[in-house]
Amino acid sequence: DAKTTQPNSMESNEEEPVHLPCNHSTISGTDYIHWYRQLPSQGPEYVIHGLTSNVNNRMASLAIAEDRKSSTLILHRATLRDAAVYYCILTYSGGYQKVTFGTGTKLQVIP
Amino acid sequence: EPEVTQTPSHQVTQMGQEVILRCVPISNHLYFYWYRQILGQKVEFLVSFYNNEISEKSEIFDDQFSVERPDGSNFTLKIRSTKLEDSAMYFCASSDGGATGTDTQYFGPGTRLTVL
Repeated sequence: DAKTTQPNSMESNEEEPVHLPCNHSTISGTDYIHWYRQLPSQGPEYVIHGLTSNVNNRMASLAIAEDRKSSTLILHRATLRDAAVYYCILTYSGGYQKVTFGTGTKLQVIP
Repeated sequence: EPEVTQTPSHQVTQMGQEVILRCVPISNHLYFYWYRQILGQKVEFLVSFYNNEISEKSEIFDDQFSVERPDGSNFTLKIRSTKLEDSAMYFCASSDGGATGTDTQYFGPGTRLTVL
């Protein structure tokens, strides 16, 4: 499986933007980039995914490098509720597949 | 917005007892999964299920575990003879199996299993 590398932890001030980086230098041409997050004592939650182009949804934005070897999850205005562990995961196109969680980035939001 | 639900939220059992954890996946999803997370550790894949069959299982999913879709809405995980080390959060997930390009899974809130 293609692997991802994320910082173990990051801090952000409340109401400021947060940029969570992910490196995936061995990504293949058909791998999608998925982001999930896990709030304390809750189940993982889908955030966003993309293939080549930048993506926006109500929760976040995903910026994908032109060579696709890295990506950045952008929370435009961090709230205390965004404090969670964020996982960057590669998934191949088509078909079901298990999600293999790493250690992710623990985001702390400071009031 | 459709969501995955799980019951109970917390289950306490004695070692050696059988437990059944229940999940109601998102209604138009066809692929179902169980994961577990031991306190302080990563979320680990247990099993995937499609068309009334196990598609894939991890080495954790041994003979004491079984899954079933007893009707059109529920998906269950049974642990036949619980051990202390089965104490964990168990998460159910469902997906459309990549019908929209890649598989995106939606997780339930989890059942906390405590084995005494």
